[in-house]
Amino acid sequence: EPEVTQTPSHQVTQMGQEVILRCVPISNHLYFYWYRQILGQKVEFLVSFYNNEISEKSEIFDDQFSVERPDGSNFTLKIRSTKLEDSAMYFCASSEAEGVNTEAFFGQGTRLTVV
Amino acid sequence: AQKVTQAQTEISVVEKEDVTLDCVYETRDTTYYLFWYKQPPSGELVFLIRRNSFDEQNEISGRYSWNFQKSTSSFNFTITASQVVDSAVYFCALTPRGGYQKVTFGTGTKLQVIP
Repeated sequence: EPEVTQTPSHQVTQMGQEVILRCVPISNHLYFYWYRQILGQKVEFLVSFYNNEISEKSEIFDDQFSVERPDGSNFTLKIRSTKLEDSAMYFCASSEAEGVNTEAFFGQGTRLTVV
Repeated sequence: AQKVTQAQTEISVVEKEDVTLDCVYETRDTTYYLFWYKQPPSGELVFLIRRNSFDEQNEISGRYSWNFQKSTSSFNFTITASQVVDSAVYFCALTPRGGYQKVTFGTGTKLQVIP
């Protein structure tokens, strides 16, 4: 069964460092998303990406964040200068189309710990 | 603004008991979609069901059933004859639009099934 894969599963980084979270969406999917979940809290939308550009982003997705699809298969989330409050589980998701009649598949998440 | 409330933070049941997880939502949109996701201890998000606002039929899938009532803005989830493998955090979510952008998740209900 096709799946969204995320690497690494756990990343520890020092405050102020840049971090890149990687995702390989399902191959025929066109829409990509990042969500995050601070420990014990709800899942929050960060950004959606289509046709090599951001289609929507939330208030959380400020200038410290960026996304990229560098090579046609990977979809990355970069945090330029990490803060303690960036510690969270980050989920990548992809869908074949935009409408919710298609399912969005989530990856297993990357746990980011900022120390 | 939209909101999803899962008032039950944690529920414990003994195996084989039935359990209902409550979800109440708020939205001004007339067209919207509701979801349930399961997050097992391994951390990934597993899609369970999607419902649109025009379809109030209850749905049953094996031991799982969902009761959507527009009049009370509720979308409750029942597990019949619970099993230890059902132990997880369950999230209810809402999106007013055709896509997975800006999905609003509830805070989740942690279900523990005791053998």
